[in-house]
Amino acid sequence: GESVGLHLPTLSVQEGDNSIINCAYSNSASDYFIWYKQESGKGPQFIIDIRSNMDKRQGQRVTVLLNKTVKHLSLQIAATQPGDSAVYFCAESLGTYKYIFGTGTRLKVLA
Amino acid sequence: GAVVSQHPSWVICKSGTSVKIECRSLDFQATTMFWYRQFPKQSLMLMATSNEGSKATYEQGVEKDKFLINHASLTLSTLTVTSAHPEDSSFYICSARDRRRTNSPLHFGNGTRLTVT
Repeated sequence: GESVGLHLPTLSVQEGDNSIINCAYSNSASDYFIWYKQESGKGPQFIIDIRSNMDKRQGQRVTVLLNKTVKHLSLQIAATQPGDSAVYFCAESLGTYKYIFGTGTRLKVLA
Repeated sequence: GAVVSQHPSWVICKSGTSVKIECRSLDFQATTMFWYRQFPKQSLMLMATSNEGSKATYEQGVEKDKFLINHASLTLSTLTVTSAHPEDSSFYICSARDRRRTNSPLHFGNGTRLTVT
């Protein structure tokens, strides 16, 4: 089902450290997963995606890990920068264009 | 990269009036666009799927007569909030995918902040 949260969990990270943002998805049949970054007052911005036939994918400074056994997705950001401060959402999709979004995590980068 | 443009970025209207929000894919064609609603500090909730040349598909609990969707071309979908009330105040976001790249992720517009007074 759709995830709607009343409070956004917050992750505070020191600048330069690595960040790990976690997400539990709902449908074991989902075959496509995406991470989005949303800054205040803006729409979601694509970060990285992964298909269910993979368990890890790397981008520039970001890595997504997929554990289908426990329906868990994580986003790792290396050397976190102030510009990384935002809300991060994972989304899952099953063979269609419809995305189901997770509750989101607010990342705060401390100087 | 693929750009989705939403207009207006914010709008204030009086209760009882209707508001139209436009979603355009600027450099690609989209047979399908999606409309989301987001409340403060919450996730995106899918409202409806907009299909070019046919009727939109609405999610459970979303009133189709309240939120009119038109997808008349491969680059434009509109959402009209009819007889708006203060509880309709929210952040509305559209998304689209390039029809030529079926494995690509959705691209999102920058949203429209609707305030109904």
